[in-house]
Amino acid sequence: EIVLTQSPGTLSLSPGERATLSCRTSQTVSSAFLVWYQQTPGQPPRLLIYAGSTRATGVPARFRGRGSGTDYTLTIDSLEPEDFAVYYCQVYDSSLWTFGQGTKVEIK
Amino acid sequence: QMRLEESGPGLVRPSETLSLNCSVSGGSITTTSYYWTWVRQPAGKGLEWIGRIFSSGSTSYNPSLKSRVSISLDTSNNQFSLKLTSVTAPDTAMYFCARVSLDFRYYYIDVWGKGTTVTVSS
Repeated sequence: EIVLTQSPGTLSLSPGERATLSCRTSQTVSSAFLVWYQQTPGQPPRLLIYAGSTRATGVPARFRGRGSGTDYTLTIDSLEPEDFAVYYCQVYDSSLWTFGQGTKVEIK
Repeated sequence: QMRLEESGPGLVRPSETLSLNCSVSGGSITTTSYYWTWVRQPAGKGLEWIGRIFSSGSTSYNPSLKSRVSISLDTSNNQFSLKLTSVTAPDTAMYFCARVSLDFRYYYIDVWGKGTTVTVSS
């Protein structure tokens, strides 16, 4: 069973700054099966990135996913007020889905 | 546009069975383009995948819950269901039902219900 480790746990940044979030997997996974979600308080998660780097419909270009093997990153260029949220990575492997523990991006 | 809505008891007694339904509107659960899944989230904590079901009825479950969980389809009512047996306090959480889209070889959860809170308490 794959374990996903997200870091940092919390990222304190100001609007306009760049956020870089990490997701490391305990085993090599195909980027095809790496997904990122955003969750704001009181809301279900929202799909941001799938297949490691493909933005979902309506997701702004400031969200960029990349990575391979066991190391994946989500970058948010120039944080907007609505981007302060919790971000989860998720992987699909052998019919099982696993989430990382999340990274909170908070306003500094 | 497809919508999902969870329903079920908000309070379940310890050792009993948690049962939730997810009503799907705007599309059929029998389509082969989607899986149907349950995810839960304890208050203030992260997301935990519970399991999923395909239109064929094939299922896959989180190994940590596998002995207690079952997911089924109710095609006559266009809904799918979750049963979790022998619940204890750690099963207290917000439970989300969701749709997993199959896009070529890619899988992603792209439609979520609003979630329903289930508390395990006597």
